[in-house]
Amino acid sequence: AQSVTQLDSQVPVFEEAPVELRCNYSSSVSVYLFWYVQYPNQGLQLLLKYLSGSTLVESINGFEAEFNKSQTSFHLRKPSVHISDTAEYFCAVSDRGGTASKLTFGTGTRLQVTL
Amino acid sequence: SQTIHQWPATLVQPVGSPLSLECTVEGTSNPNLYWYRQAAGRGLQLLFYSVGIGQISSEVPQNLSASRPQDRQFILSSKKLLLSDSGFYLCAWSVLGVEAFFGQGTRLTVV
Repeated sequence: AQSVTQLDSQVPVFEEAPVELRCNYSSSVSVYLFWYVQYPNQGLQLLLKYLSGSTLVESINGFEAEFNKSQTSFHLRKPSVHISDTAEYFCAVSDRGGTASKLTFGTGTRLQVTL
Repeated sequence: SQTIHQWPATLVQPVGSPLSLECTVEGTSNPNLYWYRQAAGRGLQLLFYSVGIGQISSEVPQNLSASRPQDRQFILSSKKLLLSDSGFYLCAWSVLGVEAFFGQGTRLTVV
């Protein structure tokens, strides 16, 4: 069984400041890792994913996350946030392969960017 | 390209009434289909998933059921809604679980 822990339920930050949203996971098998973003009353959108290869993955809007196998972490970072980054962010894990692979989500982190 | 449709967007239902939420996927074949429920502060809870027509797996015992009558159609149902069924319901699809694509969600309020 897999689990995902997002320790921070809310992260307030000023615009143009850096931010890190933490994610730790546990799994007995190799995993895929994801970050999703959710804007109010909308579904989830994939922000970035780690499948294999380079442990540092980037999104088109400046976010990046690094897979750290020894620490079982996949923290999300952005060097300078914008007001439009205000949203709920979910970390998720999926076991590799198999037709019945399922995503397990963390409880989410609310990123609140203010001026 | 693949798209997922989920409706209705919002729904207010009295306690004890039936429920039917529908989700359809376009542009892909034999997807895995999922129903999630999102409650405030609790993240997303996987309710049901399906790897094929008529194949439904339930993750948690509850007042809901799911059906997959066609390859790209996934339905969430209840015979009698409870207050605790209120929440934001999300349908999603994936191929081999590599990543999931979500619908816009249904806000269900049971009164």
